Order: sequence, then C-alpha cells, then structure tokens
Amino acid sequence: EAAVTQSPRNKVAVTGGKVTLSCNQTNNHNNMYWYRQDTGHGLRLIHYSYGAGSTEKGDIPDGYKASRPSQENFSLILELATPSQTSVYFCASGAGLGGNYAEQFFGPGTRLTVL
Amino acid sequence: GQGVEQPAKLMSVEGTFARVNCTYSTSGFNGLSWYQQREGQAPVFLSYVVLDGLKDSGHFSTFLSRSNGYSYLLLTELQIKDSASYLCAVRARNSAGNKLTFGIGTRVLVRP
Repeated sequence: EAAVTQSPRNKVAVTGGKVTLSCNQTNNHNNMYWYRQDTGHGLRLIHYSYGAGSTEKGDIPDGYKASRPSQENFSLILELATPSQTSVYFCASGAGLGGNYAEQFFGPGTRLTVL
Repeated sequence: GQGVEQPAKLMSVEGTFARVNCTYSTSGFNGLSWYQQREGQAPVFLSYVVLDGLKDSGHFSTFLSRSNGYSYLLLTELQIKDSASYLCAVRARNSAGNKLTFGIGTRVLVRP
C-alpha cells in the first residue's frame, strides 16, 4: 500500500486562482518536502517541514505557502496561481535525526496546469 | 551554495554497462544519493554514499571521490527496463531538515 499519496493527481487552474495540493504519508516520518520538477531543472525544493506545525522555506518558496497540520499531512498552497507555476509537483517524506535520513519516499506527483 | 551537475542523456546497449556521472560543489558535504525515476513516475531511492570508494549493490555500483566532488552510478548487464532517468542528490553538512539538492537527472536509454 502506497505510503505517500497526493491529491489531486491532475489539476487545471486559472491564473489568479487559489490552488491547494495535498499530501498524506503513513511512514510516520518527521520530515516532509514539496518539490517541483521541470525539464532542465530537475527537482527543486519549495517548502519542507520538520513535524506538525512547522514549515520552512526551501530553495524556491516565492509564490507558495505550506501547511503541516499533522504528522501525516502536508499541503502546498498557491494563493494566486500563475502560468509559471505550471509543473509537476512531488511530495516526499523522510526520517529525521536518528532515522535513515538518506532516503526520501516520494508520492506519485501532481500535474498542475495554470492557464 | 551548492551545485549538482549531470549529463542530460546517455545511450547504451542491452547487456553492456552505463556509467552516469555526477559532479557537485558544496560548502560542506554530508552524503550523496542516487534515485531512479521512470517516465511519469516518482523517484525511487537506489543508493547512498558518504565515504570514498566503490559500493557494490549487485546490478549497480556507486563510486564517490569527495576530494574531486565526483560520483558515478554504474549500471551493469543492462536490460531494456533499466531505461529511466537517474538523479543525483547531495546533502550538505548541517543541512537543516536533511535537505537534498538534486541534479537535473540523466536520461539513460538502453537499446537492443
């Protein structure tokens, strides 16, 4: 059974609209991450979290917010979507200190198109 | 800052081998991971190296040279199903939240 799930899997949004991408993990991992993947750029970190209630800025946080209401759930929020945010978004979980921090477990991805 | 470089594409022949190179620069190095990503799917963890030398994991091996900022993933006895992208990711020392910096990924195409 999949340990990291994402919803929706596909989303079409309009410019200026609000988009929320959701992620759930059953690995009981402390750390969770949001990436976007674009041709020529690879995976780039947007936001991450150490645990419930925490969110931290990654390498490209502008235009995105994140929310971690519980150990299992981590959301990515685009308050005012723009066409430049069209991408594939991956959520991942990983163990914190004391765990095997080398490995991150990825969800199946969400393909977002902003028109 | 950090930078991770990989070639974009690599072609090889079934039954032979493919070597995927990765060079990196970082203010402090604390490990390098390799992931496999098939078309339209999520990345899947393959290997992690933090010490110099060759690590043999059967169908593939990983090599690291910290002094040269260089690693490679060696895929042996290639099969058509090994066609995928291979991502190199570096973790910096004291990286809060165990953050990884990924390269663009190398797309490996295995021909019959």
